[in-house]
Amino acid sequence: ETGVTQSPTHLIKTRGQQVTLRCSSQSGHNTVSWYQQALGQGPQFIFQYYREEENGRGNFPPRFSGLQFPNYSSELNVNALELDDSALYLCASSLRHRQETQYFGPGTRLLVL
Amino acid sequence: GDSVTQMEGPVTLSEEAFLTINCTYTATGYPSLFWYVQYPGEGLQLLLKATKADDKGSNKGFEATYRKETTSFHLEKGSVQVSDSAVYFCALSGLQGAQKLVFGQGTRLTINP
Repeated sequence: ETGVTQSPTHLIKTRGQQVTLRCSSQSGHNTVSWYQQALGQGPQFIFQYYREEENGRGNFPPRFSGLQFPNYSSELNVNALELDDSALYLCASSLRHRQETQYFGPGTRLLVL
Repeated sequence: GDSVTQMEGPVTLSEEAFLTINCTYTATGYPSLFWYVQYPGEGLQLLLKATKADDKGSNKGFEATYRKETTSFHLEKGSVQVSDSAVYFCALSGLQGAQKLVFGQGTRLTINP
């Protein structure tokens, strides 16, 4: 069974640029969630995708957007990068079932200069 | 809204000491509760979970009991090892809307030989 994978592992961008992060969900999982983890903090929920549609969103501005593809993989896009966007971005997959466990990938560390 | 409060760290113990990391929560209804662990430079790994009141989650010598009356889910281990050094996150999965996880701020644990 393949776990959750993310790419790239590290990324450096400058303020104002755009970035795309990628996630492949665990085999059999059809729901993907994205989280932002600032240094020294707990992860914060960005949004969740199920059946290629956004299924809930946290307190993040519209410049954070996402996609889910028919194979359940997902992208997180961030436009107009700000310095505060520097963080570890985590993807988690789960079955579409209430209270089901989410399994996390290793994350993408983004540094905005 | 839902929230999780964790014991502030960092926590430093000697090998074979007893560990407790406190976690309390605020949520509507009866959420599922989780402990995740994050080793240096890695993503989150599920350590244990409990889905209803009085359930005990356990894994790798760690235990936590879902206490509805005190809205707590404290993590315990009878004898810690150097390899347990990591950051521990308490989280809940609410029943409202998207199946998102709400995390505490994390507790950094260091075990000295």
